[in-house]
Amino acid sequence: EAGVTQSPTHLIKTRGQQATLRCSPISGHTSVYWYQQALGLGLQFLLWYDEGEERNRGNFPPRFSGRQFPNYSSELNVNALELEDSALYLCASSPTGGTQYFGPGTRLTVL
Amino acid sequence: AQKVTQAQTEISVVEKEDVTLDCVYETRDTTYYLFWYKQPPSGELVFLIRRNSFDEQNEISGRYSWNFQKSTSSFNFTITASQVVDSAVYFCALSVNAGNNRKLIWGLGTSLAVNP
Repeated sequence: EAGVTQSPTHLIKTRGQQATLRCSPISGHTSVYWYQQALGLGLQFLLWYDEGEERNRGNFPPRFSGRQFPNYSSELNVNALELEDSALYLCASSPTGGTQYFGPGTRLTVL
Repeated sequence: AQKVTQAQTEISVVEKEDVTLDCVYETRDTTYYLFWYKQPPSGELVFLIRRNSFDEQNEISGRYSWNFQKSTSSFNFTITASQVVDSAVYFCALSVNAGNNRKLIWGLGTSLAVNP
């Protein structure tokens, strides 16, 4: 069974640009979660989508947004990139209420 | 409020040593889940175990074992006869279902280095 996939693996942007990160969940999983892991810091919860709806978001500014598509894949958009947005962005999927399984991450570098 | 504390920031051991990673959690909820994940240098978080609050049985999986004690709010993880491939950052996490507030509360992780 295929695991969670994320694309791209690496993304390099300049300050002020927009970044789009993509995630495909494990087949049958309806929930998708996004996390930010900055260097030296723990995992910070960003967003949770379930059945196409945003269910919860962490303490991040509105320029972090996303959506979940009918096939349960998800997209994370970061607008007006700042240097401190450089981090590993991890996506996880789960059946509703179940264990989260993670993808390999997208490493975003903002120059 | 919910909280997970992994007091050990970094641990270094020599191969074949046993090592225990500590995890202490705080929650007022009676129903919750505890998790351990492993993050090797590649970055991908690998799920290791999930335990619900009503199941205090310890678990063993190969060289890995987990000790859940509600009395001390701890969920410790022991690696027996450690190997170099065990080198990774290990995260403990707590999940509480509270309506719309379902998310994992993470510890800051313990970086384990197993040296040959």
